[in-house]
Amino acid sequence: GEDVEQSLFLSVREGDSSVINCTYTDSSSTYLYWYKQEPGAGLQLLTYIFSNMDMKQDQRLTVLLNKKDKHLSLRIADTQTGDSAIYFCAESRAIYGGATNKLIFGTGTLLAVQP
Amino acid sequence: NAGVTQTPKFRVLKTGQSMTLLCAQDMNHEYMYWYRQDPGMGLRLIHYSVGEGTTAKGEVPDGYNVSRLKKQNFLLGLESAAPSQTSVYFCASMTSGIYEQYFGPGTRLTVT
Repeated sequence: GEDVEQSLFLSVREGDSSVINCTYTDSSSTYLYWYKQEPGAGLQLLTYIFSNMDMKQDQRLTVLLNKKDKHLSLRIADTQTGDSAIYFCAESRAIYGGATNKLIFGTGTLLAVQP
Repeated sequence: NAGVTQTPKFRVLKTGQSMTLLCAQDMNHEYMYWYRQDPGMGLRLIHYSVGEGTTAKGEVPDGYNVSRLKKQNFLLGLESAAPSQTSVYFCASMTSGIYEQYFGPGTRLTVT
C-alpha cells in the first residue's frame, strides 16, 4: 500500500531532544521530507533528504535515513515551546511519466513541548 | 514574494452548491497541486498540473475539476458539493529540478 506511518503523539520537556519517527513504503522514493504545521496554518517545509544520504543536519534538526528498514527520523535538539506543532513526513513518488512527483504523507505526529 | 496564496480562507456550503477555490503563486513555478487534509489521514493529492493548460488526476479526483489557464493560477472546482468534501484544502507549487513543494495557507471548507 501507500501508507506512510508515524506515531500520533510525542510529549517532551523544553530543552530536551525530540525524536519523531516515520516508516515509508516505497524503496524507490528519491526524496523524503519533513513538514511542520502549526495550528490553523499551512505546511512549512523543514528539511528533506536525498535517498542516497544517511544523515542530514541543519542547525537543530537532524534527519536520519535507514533505507534498509525504510525508516526516517527527525531529531530536534534543545526543543522549544515554539516547536509545538504537527510534524509530517512524506515520501516522493514520480508521476506523469517522471516529469514531476507527488508527496505521500504520513498522518502526522503532534509534538507537545512542556515548559 | 507572496509565495502561494489561496482564496477564500473559509467557506461553508450547502449540499449541492458549487464553488471554486483559487490558488495563486508568484514564483513562476511549473507544477501546481491540490491536496486535501482530513483528520487522521494526512494529505492526499486531488489533481495536479505540470504546466499551463495541462492537468492530471491524483489519488482522490472524484467530485472535483481543475483548470490552469494561466501559469500562476490553479483553480479547484466543486460542481455539486457533498458533506464528504468537508476538508481543509491545500495548494502547492514546485519548480522543475528542485524537489521542494511550497504550500499555501489552506482553505477550510464545510459542506452541510
